[in-house]
Amino acid sequence: QVQLQESGPGLLKPLQTLSLTCTVSRGSINSGVHYWSWIRQHPGKGLEWIGYVFYSGSTYYSPSLKSRASISLDTSRNQFSLNLTSVTAADTAVYYCARDSHTSAMDVWGQGTPVTVSS
Amino acid sequence: EIVMTQSPATLSLSPGERATLSCRASQSVSSNLAWYQQQPGQAPRLLIYGASTRATGIPARFSGSGSGTQFTLTISSLQSEDFAVYYCQQYNRWPSRTFGQGTKVEIK
Repeated sequence: QVQLQESGPGLLKPLQTLSLTCTVSRGSINSGVHYWSWIRQHPGKGLEWIGYVFYSGSTYYSPSLKSRASISLDTSRNQFSLNLTSVTAADTAVYYCARDSHTSAMDVWGQGTPVTVSS
Repeated sequence: EIVMTQSPATLSLSPGERATLSCRASQSVSSNLAWYQQQPGQAPRLLIYGASTRATGIPARFSGSGSGTQFTLTISSLQSEDFAVYYCQQYNRWPSRTFGQGTKVEIK
């Protein structure tokens, strides 16, 4: 059973860059079938998809975050990462990574990591 | 962007009752629709994909139906562990995907 685990700093100051990593275990990030997505959830709110990376390195982002988000792969470590630049308090949320596909949606999720942006 | 609208926002029911949750897409998403369950403090869990296919390990009391713009998630007989928030998500307009705002199923 594939497992995902997010890691990264929980507290940032405004205008810093958020960097999170998702480690994939018991499965390969190079499957050629799955996409690897980042999703966030503001406190008490719904789910917001941020973007994904494919094993080839191709990426796609939500239009609302496209200018600040960057997702990359590290196949040697079986990890993928999210960078979000120039954070503000509005980026305070729980960040999830998930395995995604054309056919079976987001079938495996990490447990989530809370991020707070505060001066 | 495809907008997903869920109704009702909150559903108050008793254990053993049937729950019917709706999800409407602003344009056709074919059958590329998933449902997720989220318990407080936990990550979402995939329940249904392809509008009607149960994910691995999901009990048969959960069923999904619909296509195009109108979808339904039915829980045939609510168990205590089913009281949670449910989200629909479209993945038709590849590569983009969008979630509904959620329906909370609470104990009456």
